[in-house]
Amino acid sequence: EADIYQTPRYLVIGTGKKITLECSQTMGHDKMYWYQQDPGMELHLIHYSYGVNSTEKGDLSSESTVSRIRTEHFPLTLESARPSHTSQYLCASKKGIPMGSPLHFGNGTRLTVT
Amino acid sequence: SQQGEEDPQALSIQEGENATMNCSYKTSINNLQWYRQNSGRGLVHLILIRSNEREKHSGRLRVTLDTSKKSSSLLITASRAADTASYFCATGSMPGGFKTIFGAGTRLFVKA
Repeated sequence: EADIYQTPRYLVIGTGKKITLECSQTMGHDKMYWYQQDPGMELHLIHYSYGVNSTEKGDLSSESTVSRIRTEHFPLTLESARPSHTSQYLCASKKGIPMGSPLHFGNGTRLTVT
Repeated sequence: SQQGEEDPQALSIQEGENATMNCSYKTSINNLQWYRQNSGRGLVHLILIRSNEREKHSGRLRVTLDTSKKSSSLLITASRAADTASYFCATGSMPGGFKTIFGAGTRLFVKA
């Protein structure tokens, strides 16, 4: 049962379009994360947030941006989509305390840029 | 891999057999976690072991952690066809353990 929701589930879009991937969680978690995952491959952290108005870039360079205006909402935006952005994007959240709380994942958005 | 290696990359076994997956990591950690991912879905947390723990059990899962070797193993006993999935280790890096980094994963296939 998912308390973290990602929309859309699938998105096919043309090159140059601006897109926003939505992620919302109802658990009141402070920490939220975006991972990028190609099929069958490892997850790469692209953005994370410690709380409202706090965002950090992850280990994988990404042309996307994020915002955290509300605790429950952590959208990811691509200003100009390119075929190289084709991938699965996974949103996750966790409690800030205790340290080492597990991540809760959404079901992902599979993005295809044509 | 940004975190380390998982071994094996893929594993195919018969139902009822045990499955062992290994994970190595590069940095000092606060904790290590194992997750499962069914095809095309998000990840589900299985078990967490803290850096001061050496072994942990949960149902058919047994996890070990050797911080001197920077490695961990996940054992699934008496595997079932429903265990077919990808399994990832993830580490919470110091300080604070807030940033969680994943390994490349092991794809497990359990034949009925």
